[in-house]
Amino acid sequence: KAGVTQTPRYLIKTRGQQVTLSCSPISGHRSVSWYQQTPGQGLQFLFEYFSETQRNKGNFPGRFSGRQFSNSRSEMNVSTLELGDSALYLCASSLGLGTTDTQYFGPGTRLTVL
Amino acid sequence: QKEVEQDPGPLSVPEGAIVSLNCTYSNSAFQYFMWYRQYSRKGPELLMYTYSSGNKEDGRFTAQVDKSSKYISLFIRDSQPSDSATYLCAVPTGANSKLTFGKGITLSVRP
Repeated sequence: KAGVTQTPRYLIKTRGQQVTLSCSPISGHRSVSWYQQTPGQGLQFLFEYFSETQRNKGNFPGRFSGRQFSNSRSEMNVSTLELGDSALYLCASSLGLGTTDTQYFGPGTRLTVL
Repeated sequence: QKEVEQDPGPLSVPEGAIVSLNCTYSNSAFQYFMWYRQYSRKGPELLMYTYSSGNKEDGRFTAQVDKSSKYISLFIRDSQPSDSATYLCAVPTGANSKLTFGKGITLSVRP
């Protein structure tokens, strides 16, 4: 079974631009979560989607948004990029919403904001 | 106080050493504790999990939870260079699948 895939793997943008990242979950998984990883803050939860609905949201500004499609694929968008948005963005999928459902992570998208 | 805190690193040990990695958590209601391993340029992968208190062993790895002191530990016996990675503790917090992670500690095992 193919793992979680994320595209693109690397991205360079400038301040003020917007960016869209894509995540394809493991086949059959219906829950997709997004995390931001930085050296200073570590891994931080952004949001979670299940059945095309946002079920949970972390403490990030409204510039960060996401959506999930009927095939469970998900995208996240960051508008008006800031230097501090430079990070590894990780997507994780799981079968359902249970706290004990194992989350499988993709390799991430490395975003650099100049 | 942060929900999950992890000992800072990095940590460098010789091959064959016993490694102890530790985290503390703030909420006594937490019941499920996980350890993820992240290799360079990869996403984290679930290494082990424990439920409630006690020990869980898997090969060279042992996960331990001490609920009285809100302390979680991962022990690696006979460490190998292939164990060189970042180790993150994690706890489900809030609703659904949301995980809160420790900051991670980078382990280097020297041949």
